[in-house]
Amino acid sequence: GQNIDQPTEMTATEGAIVQINCTYQTSGFNGLFWYQQHAGEAPTFLSYNVLDGLEEKGRFSSFLSRSKGYSYLLLKELQMKDSASYLCAAMDSNYQLIWGAGTKLIIKP
Amino acid sequence: ETGVTQTPRHLVMGMTNKKSLKCEQHLGHNAMYWYKQSAKKPLELMFVYNFKEQTENNSVPSRFSPECPNSSHLFLHLHTLQPEDSALYLCASSQVEAGDYNEQFFGPGTRLTVL
Repeated sequence: GQNIDQPTEMTATEGAIVQINCTYQTSGFNGLFWYQQHAGEAPTFLSYNVLDGLEEKGRFSSFLSRSKGYSYLLLKELQMKDSASYLCAAMDSNYQLIWGAGTKLIIKP
Repeated sequence: ETGVTQTPRHLVMGMTNKKSLKCEQHLGHNAMYWYKQSAKKPLELMFVYNFKEQTENNSVPSRFSPECPNSSHLFLHLHTLQPEDSALYLCASSQVEAGDYNEQFFGPGTRLTVL
């Protein structure tokens, strides 16, 4: 079956760094997405990885290892506004997204 | 209007009611999606439309009926729902092209409560 695993909740301190992990099992693979979703709002796109390695975009970076079925989202210089749920989704061979349940990130002052 | 819009934002209905959710995308995309989001569960893909043709129906009960009159509009018709259908219903759109990834743009969702 197809499956995405990510931690349910994480807590970090303002100004620190946090890494949110995601492991996936899909029928075929066409890339890994990360989305951010603030409470009561729509998910918004953060990053896409299809090749192994690290993609950096400002304070956010995303890493992929296809051989390990593993990705992480790295958030640096955390701000209070980064408190949100972070959704990991893998695209299968039919170009459909398989979603994780999301990681709720709590930022403390 | 920009992006993806959804109406209504909140809906409370009884199990015998009939209602419809509306989604409109202003991005010129060729694919639209309905998702169900329940607390602490993964997003569940319900329906996919590519170029107005339904290409995916993930074993969704017949009390949910989608309609896609054109590539910019998507409806979800609801009737005789159950309390377990209470959830956030998200609409999304994307541009599907061979060999390219399809980043999905989401609407704000309709919070549905079935009494």
